[in-house]
Amino acid sequence: GDSVTQMEGPVTLSEEAFLTINCTYTATGYPSLFWYVQYPGEGLQLLLKATKADDKGSNKGFEATYRKETTSFHLEKGSVQVSDSAVYFCALCCRDYQLIWGAGTKLIIKP
Amino acid sequence: DAGVIQSPRHEVTEMGQEVTLRCKPISGHNSLFWYRQTMMRGLELLIYFNNNVPIDDSGMPEDRFSAKMPNASFSTLKIQPSEPRDSAVYFCASSWQGANYGYTFGSGTRLTVV
Repeated sequence: GDSVTQMEGPVTLSEEAFLTINCTYTATGYPSLFWYVQYPGEGLQLLLKATKADDKGSNKGFEATYRKETTSFHLEKGSVQVSDSAVYFCALCCRDYQLIWGAGTKLIIKP
Repeated sequence: DAGVIQSPRHEVTEMGQEVTLRCKPISGHNSLFWYRQTMMRGLELLIYFNNNVPIDDSGMPEDRFSAKMPNASFSTLKIQPSEPRDSAVYFCASSWQGANYGYTFGSGTRLTVV
């Protein structure tokens, strides 16, 4: 069945470092792909999305490109800040009506 | 838009008591989801409503849990009687027509059952 696999965390980086969080998926067809972010004590927020192959989603300096050939949707940011510390979830649409979630990757940015 | 509104933000209750969590979805959204998040099990979908009708409640852990959506702007999740293992953060999310455009989550209710 459809599934999403994310790199395990926590990922610890220094401020201004380059970030990559890996996400790969298994699905039939060409699902829409999403990255959500959850800051401490808050709900999940949609960070970016891509609906077809080669699409690039971007928001707040984060980017992810829908790679059909490698079934991947890796999240990247050129220069992270302490305020980016959060848990990041990769997800795909859909099994019926619902999103299929990765396990989440905790990101810790040290000043 | 005020987003998805959940209440209360925090709830502490004694084992055996009834707990009611509330959710107001975004106006115009016709899909509503209740999720539970714990460290051990991550995000779990409890129930999905479409156009106020429960479509899939297979994630509801047991008969102690029930959910209603009496109209397009309000939903409740009730636990009766509550148990310590129900302690978790409960999220409500809404969307337009399922998940193709992603969900909008509320800020959650942190439930502690002592």
